[in-house]
Amino acid sequence: NAGVTQTPKFRVLKTGQSMTLLCAQDMNHEYMYWYRQDPGMGLRLIHYSVGEGTTAKGEVPDGYNVSRLKKQNFLLGLESAAPSQTSVYFCASTTQGGNQPQHFGDGTRLSIL
Amino acid sequence: AQRVTQPEKLLSVFKGAPVELKCNYSYSGSPELFWYVQYSRQRLQLLLRHISRESIKGFTADLNKGETSFHLKKPFAQEEDSAMYYCALTNTGGFKTIFGAGTRLFVKA
Repeated sequence: NAGVTQTPKFRVLKTGQSMTLLCAQDMNHEYMYWYRQDPGMGLRLIHYSVGEGTTAKGEVPDGYNVSRLKKQNFLLGLESAAPSQTSVYFCASTTQGGNQPQHFGDGTRLSIL
Repeated sequence: AQRVTQPEKLLSVFKGAPVELKCNYSYSGSPELFWYVQYSRQRLQLLLRHISRESIKGFTADLNKGETSFHLKKPFAQEEDSAMYYCALTNTGGFKTIFGAGTRLFVKA
């Protein structure tokens, strides 16, 4: 019963490098989200998707891109990593409907040097 | 604008003492409100939601629309309650959730 799986769990990048974070869910959820968690700022929404093939910007989208080619996968890309993107990244998913809770992955700890 | 405010970054109480984690929100519609908890080395998980009106692990939260608050309460704190707690609001239509900055609860023996 995997739920939401994020890969990788840890990564260190140099400024300017690119990488993709993968989120996979096996609950057939329509909605998927990417957040970043920074001390004192809680979780901030980067991008989200309400269905396969659709994405939308959240609160802090700059410097990130996403894709939802398959319903179960939601990819977060950093084209040119910057030290300000050092953070813990969480993926979440939920079914349709506002009263349904989000299910989270374990997080990816990303450091940009 | 939608906003969730948790005024306390850190709350420290003794075991057996009552605990209240404050949450205030700003939203023009009818919000769906949640409390999430993140224990050490675990993923963020749902603690409770206002629509369920339930008590989970001894915690309760009442939605006060007049004061726009959704405070989390427990009459007798336990050491295992030590964790990071996030209050969250989901908009009408349910596709976007706003999280507060979080309150770290530390229960001392």
